[in-house]
Amino acid sequence: KQEVTQIPAALSVPEGENLVLNCSFTDSAIYNLQWFRQDPGKGLTSLLLIQSSQREQTSGRLNASLDKSSGRSTLYIAASQPGDSATYLCAETYNQGGKLIFGQGTELSVKP
Amino acid sequence: DVKVTQSSRYLVKRTGEKVFLECVQDMDHENMFWYRQDPGLGLRLIYFSYDVKMKEKGDIPEGYSVSREKKERFSLILESASTNQTSMYLCASSKRHPGLYGYTFGSGTRLTVV
Repeated sequence: KQEVTQIPAALSVPEGENLVLNCSFTDSAIYNLQWFRQDPGKGLTSLLLIQSSQREQTSGRLNASLDKSSGRSTLYIAASQPGDSATYLCAETYNQGGKLIFGQGTELSVKP
Repeated sequence: DVKVTQSSRYLVKRTGEKVFLECVQDMDHENMFWYRQDPGLGLRLIYFSYDVKMKEKGDIPEGYSVSREKKERFSLILESASTNQTSMYLCASSKRHPGLYGYTFGSGTRLTVV
């Protein structure tokens, strides 16, 4: 059974710090991996999508990497801001039309 | 701006009522999905559809049904609402092969059954 794990479950950092969120998965035969952001009581906003043939994707202060051999993905946030406070979810699919399998999320709090 | 629209942000319904949650996407996506999200349980897939009039059960379909009469609209139906169906419901859509563009989610419907 494919599983996705995110550690830590919660993280609190001071403003300006660079940080890394971790996502691990049990099956290296993934198709793609997507990082989402969720604000309290809201839906999911897509941040980055990494296809299985890629190693990383970047958008602004965000960088996501994918290492299939180790079963890990990381989301790097540079120069964190209070507005980055949210829950971050990673999710993967195992085939072209596949369903998303979600991790439990990391709740990030960036303190001013 | 492409998007997935869920018709209600908040709903309060009584036990035993028939409840319809509506989702519309404007991206000409083939695939549509319904998830529920609960604290400690994460997101769980209820139903999904790969095409008009097609539906597939997800991980927790009991107590739910769906309808997809048009490509852009996917409805989740609670035949007889119960308190354990109080949850956040999220709709998503994707191209038939979502490898390039991934999934797009709506803003969610918070359903409370009293």
